[in-house]
Amino acid sequence: AQSVTQPDIHITVSEGASLELRCNYSYGATPYLFWYVQSPGQGLQLLLKYFSGDTLVQGIKGFEAEFKRSQSSFNLRKPSVHWSDAAEYFCAVGAVYNFNKFYFGSGTKLNVKP
Amino acid sequence: SQTIHQWPATLVQPVGSPLSLECTVEGTSNPNLYWYRQAAGRGLQLLFYSVGIGQISSEVPQNLSASRPQDRQFILSSKKLLLSDSGFYLCAWSVTSGANVLTFGAGSRLTVL
Repeated sequence: AQSVTQPDIHITVSEGASLELRCNYSYGATPYLFWYVQSPGQGLQLLLKYFSGDTLVQGIKGFEAEFKRSQSSFNLRKPSVHWSDAAEYFCAVGAVYNFNKFYFGSGTKLNVKP
Repeated sequence: SQTIHQWPATLVQPVGSPLSLECTVEGTSNPNLYWYRQAAGRGLQLLFYSVGIGQISSEVPQNLSASRPQDRQFILSSKKLLLSDSGFYLCAWSVTSGANVLTFGAGSRLTVL
């Protein structure tokens, strides 16, 4: 069965510190992988996506993520966090051969200390 | 460019009342359309998706239904709301072929009292 696991429910980092949010997926076929960000009371905004090719992908707002097939992971990173990065982050997987379905993790809430 | 509109943004309804949330997409044709629910402290749950007019797939049996009366219109309904229907409802769309990305609306906050 398809699933996405984000093991960290809450993370707090200091402004300027580096960030890594973890995501592991279980999928029986080649996946498309995504990270979305959600500010309180808002919809989800796409940060970055991986379809194929280079396993290190760059996104908006200075975020990047690395696809590691052997570990079934797609962790999100940012070298220096800004206070405006405080939000909830969702990892998602979509099926290459089933374009109709996307599966989301339960989210990681990021707090940024001044 | 494509835009997605979702309304109402906020809704407070009594238990047993009906529900209608609407979603429209502009700037594209024949999109895949989706309804997700986000309950407090939980992730996104796929409720319904549609690949065309009148074609609805339900992911989770529940008190809700969906309809797609026009190509770019997706409606989420209930005849009688339950307390457990409270949550944040998100409409989304994607293209029907090729590399897909979900694009979300701003969401509708439903509180059932």
